[in-house]
Amino acid sequence: GQNIDQPTEMTATEGAIVQINCTYQTSGFNGLFWYQQHAGEAPTFLSYNVLDGLEEKGRFSSFLSRSKGYSYLLLKELQMKDSASYLCAALDSNYQLIWGAGTKLIIKP
Amino acid sequence: IAGITQAPTSQILAAGRRMTLRCTQDMRHNAMYWYRQDLGLGLRLIHYSNTAGTTGKGEVPDGYSVSRANTDDFPLTLASAVPSQTSVYFCASSETETSNEQFFGPGTRLTVL
Repeated sequence: GQNIDQPTEMTATEGAIVQINCTYQTSGFNGLFWYQQHAGEAPTFLSYNVLDGLEEKGRFSSFLSRSKGYSYLLLKELQMKDSASYLCAALDSNYQLIWGAGTKLIIKP
Repeated sequence: IAGITQAPTSQILAAGRRMTLRCTQDMRHNAMYWYRQDLGLGLRLIHYSNTAGTTGKGEVPDGYSVSRANTDDFPLTLASAVPSQTSVYFCASSETETSNEQFFGPGTRLTVL
C-alpha cells in the first residue's frame, strides 16, 4: 500500500530551528512536496524535490533521500507566523499526490 | 476572479439531499482535483480531471460525481448526502497532471446532519 508518515505535532521556540521529518512508501515516485496550511485556510506550496539532496529557499529548506524514502523540511529563524500544519505529499507513478496527515507546528515565544 | 474560487464557503445539509460544490479557476490549468480533508487524515483525492471532457476516480470516489464541461469549471456533486460526507472539501488545479505544483481553492466546509 501507499503510505506517508510524519509526526502529528511539534513544538519549537521563536527564533530557533525545527526539522519536520517525513517517510513515504508509494507505487513509483515522481517527487516529494511540502505544503503549509494555516488553520482554516487552504494548503500553499512550499517546496518540491525529485532528486536527492537539499533545496534551499530562504528560511525554508527541504531534503530528499530517494533510497531511504525520506524527506525533511527545515525551518530556520522561526517566527510566530510559522505556526501552521506542514503537509508532506509524494507523487506516485500515476502522478497522483499521496498526502500525509500533516504535522502541526506550534511556535512558542 | 483570481486563482481558484469555491462556493459555498460552508453549508449545512440534511442527509439525503443533493448538493453541488462549485469550483472555478481562471489560470487556464488543464488538470483539476477534488479532495476532502478530515481531522487526523491526509487530504484524500475524490475525483480528478486531466483535461476538459475527461474525469477519473481518486481514492474515495463513492457517493460523489464530477463533470468537466470546460477548462474553468469542475463541480462536485453529492447525489444523496450522508453524515460521513461531513468534511472540508478543497478544489485544486495544476497546469498539467504532471506539473510540480497544485494550487488550492479556499475550501468548502460541509456538514451533513
